Amino acid sequence: GENVEQHPSTLSVQEGDSAVIKCTYSDSASNYFPWYKQELGKRPQLIIDIRSNVGEKKDQRIAVTLNKTAKHFSLHITETQPEDSAVYFCAASVYEKLTFGTGTRLTIIP
Amino acid sequence: NAGVTQTPKFQVLKTGQSMTLQCAQDMNHNSMYWYRQDPGMGLRLIYYSASEGTTDKGEVPNGYNVSRLNKREFSLRLESAAPSQTSVYFCASSEGSGSGNQETQYFGPGTRLLVL
Repeated sequence: GENVEQHPSTLSVQEGDSAVIKCTYSDSASNYFPWYKQELGKRPQLIIDIRSNVGEKKDQRIAVTLNKTAKHFSLHITETQPEDSAVYFCAASVYEKLTFGTGTRLTIIP
Repeated sequence: NAGVTQTPKFQVLKTGQSMTLQCAQDMNHNSMYWYRQDPGMGLRLIYYSASEGTTDKGEVPNGYNVSRLNKREFSLRLESAAPSQTSVYFCASSEGSGSGNQETQYFGPGTRLLVL
C-alpha cells in the first residue's frame, strides 16, 4: 500500500518567517495530495490541496509544490502568524483512499 | 447544514465491553470513512464506504465492524473493546465520484474513546 513520510515532526519559526514541511510518497498511482491543519482538540481541516497534473498551487500565504518524478510534495507558509501554530498533516490518495503522514507540530514564536 | 456529526464526543469503556460510534453527514456525499488518530501516528484508515451498501477494509480494520446504514449514516462498532483501541476516532465524508479521483474529505469533530 501507499506509504507517506513527513518531516520534520516539529518545527519552530519566528513570527513573520517562512515554514516548510516536506512529504514523500511511495505509490506512483497517487493523484491527489491534500494538506490538513489540526488545532488542539479539533478536527483536521483542509487548507490546500493539489492534483497530480499540477506542479504548484498557491492560496494567499500558503503554497504547495509537487514533484511527481521524485514523489515528494511540500507545504510552504510565508509571513507566519501566531494562528498558524497547529499540527499539519500531508496525505496522498490512491483510488479515493487517503494515507496520512505522521504530522508536523508547527510553533510560531512571537 | 451541520456537515459531519459524530456521537458520542467522549466514552469510557471497560475491556470487553461493546459500543457503536455513530456518524452522519448532510452533504449528500457518497463516500464515508472511519479513522483513528493516535499520538505520533497520524490518522489511519479503519474502514471506508465508497457508496451506500458497500464497505471495505482500510489499514487497521482488526477489532472493528462497520455498517453503512443509508447514504447519510456510517457506524463503527467495537464488539469487545481492548485498551489498544483507546484513541480518537474521526469520521469523514467526501463526494466520491467513483472515477478514482479523490475529492475533499470533510471530518467530523471526533470521538475520544478510553478503554480501561
